[in-house]
Amino acid sequence: QVQLVQSGAEVKKPGASVKVSCKASGYTFNNHYVHWVRQAPGQGLEWMGVINPSGGSSSHAEKFQGRVTMTRDTSTTTFYMQLTMLKSEDTAVYYCARDGGDRSGWFYFDFWGQGTVVTVSS
Amino acid sequence: DIVMTQSPDSLSVSLGERATINCKSSQSVSYSSNSKNYLAWYQQKPGQPPKLLIYWASARESGVPDRFSGSGSGTHFTLTISSLQAEDVAVYYCQQYYTTPHTFGQGTKLEIK
Repeated sequence: QVQLVQSGAEVKKPGASVKVSCKASGYTFNNHYVHWVRQAPGQGLEWMGVINPSGGSSSHAEKFQGRVTMTRDTSTTTFYMQLTMLKSEDTAVYYCARDGGDRSGWFYFDFWGQGTVVTVSS
Repeated sequence: DIVMTQSPDSLSVSLGERATINCKSSQSVSYSSNSKNYLAWYQQKPGQPPKLLIYWASARESGVPDRFSGSGSGTHFTLTISSLQAEDVAVYYCQQYYTTPHTFGQGTKLEIK
């Protein structure tokens, strides 16, 4: 069965960086894009960006340009999202989510990781 | 960015009754070339990730009960739960994937009356 298993909770100080991992299994790794979505406490969902597992190219929301890097390791079928220059407003649950389409575009999210809580506090 | 606006923000419905959630986009999320509406609905329960219910505005995801249905086109969409069950208590989000950044509605909290 399809699974996306994320790394554990992180506590960071303002100005630091965080790297969240998302291990994919149960499907052909190269066949689906993976998106990153975050959710601040008590708030809604915010799309951060998407990565192509085949080749590793990525696209990010303009809001995160210069601060976010999305990568993947094909040998371990793991995706990574690194966010730098953390601020208190980055405190959120970060999710990876598999794109449900056929790589002809970026579509809906059919499987989600369990989420990683990132807390930014001095 | 496309702004997604859901209504109402919260909804209280009796067990067995119909629940209707609306979603409006600030511009059309339909491609005329393929007649598809780039709109999905998700259900999120406390402490859990969102779960896909509906995609292409009206296609039900595998395993989702048939009491959930989606409709609409262009800029106006609706999620309907035909007969509310206790396990349907959750927050529901619409999402457009017509263009990036993909954007979500603010969420509708559904409770039992």
